[in-house]
Amino acid sequence: AQTVTQSQPEMSVQEAETVTLSCTYDTSENNYYLFWYKQPPSRQMILVIRQEAYKQQNATENRFSVNFQKAAKSFSLKISDSQLGDTAMYFCAFMKHGWYSGGSNYKLTFGKGTLLTVNP
Amino acid sequence: ETGVTQTPRHLVMGMTNKKSLKCEQHLGHNAMYWYKQSAKKPLELMFVYSLEERVENNSVPSRFSPECPNSSHLFLHLHTLQPEDSALYLCASTPREMSYGYTFGSGTRLTVV
Repeated sequence: AQTVTQSQPEMSVQEAETVTLSCTYDTSENNYYLFWYKQPPSRQMILVIRQEAYKQQNATENRFSVNFQKAAKSFSLKISDSQLGDTAMYFCAFMKHGWYSGGSNYKLTFGKGTLLTVNP
Repeated sequence: ETGVTQTPRHLVMGMTNKKSLKCEQHLGHNAMYWYKQSAKKPLELMFVYSLEERVENNSVPSRFSPECPNSSHLFLHLHTLQPEDSALYLCASTPREMSYGYTFGSGTRLTVV
């Protein structure tokens, strides 16, 4: 079974600064996907960024980027130029690779989350 | 709105009541999920439906009963719940290519009194 650990329950950052959220995972799989989701007070779980394990290049989406270290099983999220609207709970999640075949390879396993507060 | 709609947004029910949560998606996705989100715990997968067939039930108590009448709609029927069942219930859907992750609804905040 896979596990996802987010060791920082809460973090804060000043507006316009950079912050990094940590995530580690445990798996015996070689092919998988990793995700960061954002959940603001509106409760909508929004996909921030995804990474395919077989790709060495770190994913980037505008101000969001990841540092994916496959050997270390680490998947941190860096938010640059933090904005007030980035205040939210951030969840790291793991999904095993594969097309749906009636088995459990579609299951998203989540960490407990990190509450990020961006201060003005 | 992401394309996955959940109703009601809030629900307060007594332990002897029967109520239903509704989830609807018109994204053409063929799998739908119910997750339970409790404070300070990881999201817990409850049920998975693919093409209207239940493919996973993660040891969920029988007081929770899912229903998937078609690929666009998913229900969670509730009866004789306990106070510890109070949580945010999230619905999600995925296309056949799972690697793009889930599309979530905004959830139903359930309080059992």
